[in-house]
Amino acid sequence: AQSVTQLDSQVPVFEEAPVELRCNYSSSVSVYLFWYVQYPNQGLQLLLKYLSGSTLVKGINGFEAEFNKSQTSFHLRKPSVHISDTAEYFCAVSDAGGTSYGKLTFGQGTILTVHP
Amino acid sequence: DGGITQSPKYLFRKEGQNVTLSCEQNLNHDAMYWYRQDPGQGLRLIYYSQIVNDFQKGDIAEGYSVSREKKESFPLTVTSAQKNPTAFYLCASIPGLGAQRGNEQFFGPGTRLTVL
Repeated sequence: AQSVTQLDSQVPVFEEAPVELRCNYSSSVSVYLFWYVQYPNQGLQLLLKYLSGSTLVKGINGFEAEFNKSQTSFHLRKPSVHISDTAEYFCAVSDAGGTSYGKLTFGQGTILTVHP
Repeated sequence: DGGITQSPKYLFRKEGQNVTLSCEQNLNHDAMYWYRQDPGQGLRLIYYSQIVNDFQKGDIAEGYSVSREKKESFPLTVTSAQKNPTAFYLCASIPGLGAQRGNEQFFGPGTRLTVL
């Protein structure tokens, strides 16, 4: 079984400031890791994913995340946020092997609010 | 444009009534998923389907039913047995027969169901 914990339910930040959204996971097997963004009353959009290789992953809209296997973390960062980044962000994991059928386990979500 | 459509966007039902949520995709994806989203709880998997005429229960299948008669369609029925059906429902799909490892899920825009 896998679990995902997003350590902050809400993160307020001022425009042009850096931000980090924290994600820890627990799994007995190797995992793939994903970050999704959701704007109000919409579906989810993929920001980035880690499958293998370089632990620093770059995604859309200037976001990046770093996979840390020893700390079982996959924190999302952006050096300078915009008002338009205001949204809810979800971290998710899937089993990298076996018969998971692409199933995702999601964290509880972090609401990022960017203030002018 | 290829994508996933969910209808209706908003749905109201009276207690004791069954209701069916539509999910259609023209991406030629093999696997499809239904999630329920509640505030502060992330997304929870209801049902998923790898191929036509086959589907599996997810983590919270009680009170729900699905069918997969066509590759592009995966409707979800919320039955009267579901005790707390008010939520945001999201449909997703993933490319690759057998859900190739590492493929991300693509999400529809969601249906907000309210029980009156």
